[in-house]
Amino acid sequence: DAKTTQPNSMESNEEEPVHLPCNHSTISGTDYIHWYRQLPSQGPEYVIHGLTSNVNNRMASLAIAEDRKSSTLILHRATLRDAAVYYCIRKDNYGQNFVFGPGTRLSVLP
Amino acid sequence: NAGVTQTPKFQVLKTGQSMTLQCAQDMNHNSMYWYRQDPGMGLRLIYYSASEGTTDKGEVPNGYNVSRLNKREFSLRLESAAPSQTSVYFCASKILTGGGTEAFFGQGTRLTVV
Repeated sequence: DAKTTQPNSMESNEEEPVHLPCNHSTISGTDYIHWYRQLPSQGPEYVIHGLTSNVNNRMASLAIAEDRKSSTLILHRATLRDAAVYYCIRKDNYGQNFVFGPGTRLSVLP
Repeated sequence: NAGVTQTPKFQVLKTGQSMTLQCAQDMNHNSMYWYRQDPGMGLRLIYYSASEGTTDKGEVPNGYNVSRLNKREFSLRLESAAPSQTSVYFCASKILTGGGTEAFFGQGTRLTVV
């Protein structure tokens, strides 16, 4: 049970912003939202995580809805290297597992 | 800084053979994990070790054993390989088990059982 819902695939043009949505309507108060991405033939790579407030780092921004039932990963300027499968994951402070769903396959067009 | 290192990168086994997948991290992390990823699927947790000296089963532990050799190393053993264990195996580590810290993954071991 992945507990999050993401679109199967999305497309973007190079150098344009990308908004990757994630639904987590059953989230509890102690669950963090994590995003990872997996480039072809590589292991997952951490992108960003947050609890309640919006978060920014050098790779992306994470916008979390006020009710925390959804979030959006924002890549400000997509590059060809950003083509990957993006996973949105709920992670609580007690369980051991990151539950990976199928993720969103992002294609970036030149 | 190597991060999480897995060996070997590729392996072909015959049904019934045994092998050990090795994982080492150099980040002084407490928690380590083994996942498998089947084609077109997300990752599934096999076993984890919350801290040195402890190991616990994940979602799909059958057919596998693990050893947390020390704080750095966490190995995964297949005692009698089966074709259903053909998969890509990823090791990961986190400084703590809670939700507020990120996980770091190795590059994977691609295992084929014929």
